[in-house]
Amino acid sequence: GAGVSQTPSNKVTEKGKYVELRCDPISGHTALYWYRQSLGQGPEFLIYFQGTGAADDSGLPNDRFFAVRPEGSVSTLKIQRTERGDSAVYLCASSLDLREQFFGPGTRLTVL
Amino acid sequence: EDQVTQSPEALRLQEGESSSLNCSYTVSGLRGLFWYRQDPGKGPEFLFTLYSAGEEKEKERLKATLTKKESFLHITAPKPEDSATYLCAVQERDSSYKLIFGSGTRLLVRP
Repeated sequence: GAGVSQTPSNKVTEKGKYVELRCDPISGHTALYWYRQSLGQGPEFLIYFQGTGAADDSGLPNDRFFAVRPEGSVSTLKIQRTERGDSAVYLCASSLDLREQFFGPGTRLTVL
Repeated sequence: EDQVTQSPEALRLQEGESSSLNCSYTVSGLRGLFWYRQDPGKGPEFLFTLYSAGEEKEKERLKATLTKKESFLHITAPKPEDSATYLCAVQERDSSYKLIFGSGTRLLVRP
């Protein structure tokens, strides 16, 4: 299938470490979104890319979080100096027409 | 403030027992309202988009409706495979295209 893919599916790291989470959107989708989902909650918006640029990064919780999309396709979410409170499922979605967003399976991040 | 509120938080139905899930929202202007289904350990799966009050959409046993303040997801004669968490989200007009989600309704359909 040609859905959104995310790697790794699971990531366990230690407090203070740096992690990178990758998202491969549906081919041809120019819009890409990152969300974070805690247990029992709905996804919470982090950042939205239109092409290569971040059109809205208002959801990033602090400056430890950063995301890039250098060629307008694959995106990487980077978290520095991880904290236990960063543990969550990180979801990526892509969209062709800024309406329906199609989600990947997520990366489960656990910070010990 | 809560912008999207879903109720009930959890719902148990017997197979064939129809019911409705509610999503109420408060936004300055609605661009669209979205319903997603999420199975454990998976990402949300797109179901419907509704754009204006009075609009309805159907897919198999599911029917979504929209008013100016809320949306309903009606499930007719559910089957055990309909068990999942159903998420509602809104996209505001005059803002970025981010989705604002509710906490979801966990549906369990017993055979």
